[in-house]
Amino acid sequence: NAGVTQTPKFQVLKTGQSMTLQCAQDMNHEYMSWYRQDPGMGLRLIHYSVGAGITDQGEVPNGYNVSRSTTEDFPLRLLSAAPSQTSVYFCASRPGAFGYEQYFGPGTRLTVT
Amino acid sequence: AQTVTQSQPEMSVQEAETVTLSCTYDTSESDYYLFWYKQPPSRQMILVIRQEAYKQQNATENRFSVNFQKAAKSFSLKISDSQLGDAAMYFCAYEEANTGNQFYFGTGTSLTVIP
Repeated sequence: NAGVTQTPKFQVLKTGQSMTLQCAQDMNHEYMSWYRQDPGMGLRLIHYSVGAGITDQGEVPNGYNVSRSTTEDFPLRLLSAAPSQTSVYFCASRPGAFGYEQYFGPGTRLTVT
Repeated sequence: AQTVTQSQPEMSVQEAETVTLSCTYDTSESDYYLFWYKQPPSRQMILVIRQEAYKQQNATENRFSVNFQKAAKSFSLKISDSQLGDAAMYFCAYEEANTGNQFYFGTGTSLTVIP
């Protein structure tokens, strides 16, 4: 049981480039989320999904797209990278809503130059 | 958006002693959940403890316990018999029931354990 996996672990992009951060979980969890962590700001929710085919915006969605075609995968797309998107990105999953523990991936450190 | 405030950016504690980390939150709701997550240097986020707002009894998990004061909107974490492995960043988090998957995290408290 691998839990929540994220690839890549590190990435450097130039301004304007696009890329996809991958997230997969093997626990059959319905709920998945993407967060960004910036120094002094804690974690902020970008997008989330409550099941395959259903996504919604979190607190800071601008500049990011998501889709959920399968229960296992929840990729995060940066459409046109900006230096303000330099951050550590975490994917998380959990089996249900409201009060369930979130299981986090190891994170992706993204630098946009 | 809800706000979660951790007013102590850094704390330190002697090994085997007790330390309390503070957290306050702002909400007009009566039904919600509160969490403490730990992030060691490995960056992995780990759930420490969880509290349902409708439960008056404070949650405990081994050496970790909370002091939940609903009227004061306060949710502090007490770590007893501190160990070197407790050194980490600790995040308080709030989730409102019945409104989807919206989590709000505080800015974190960095805990140092002194041998």
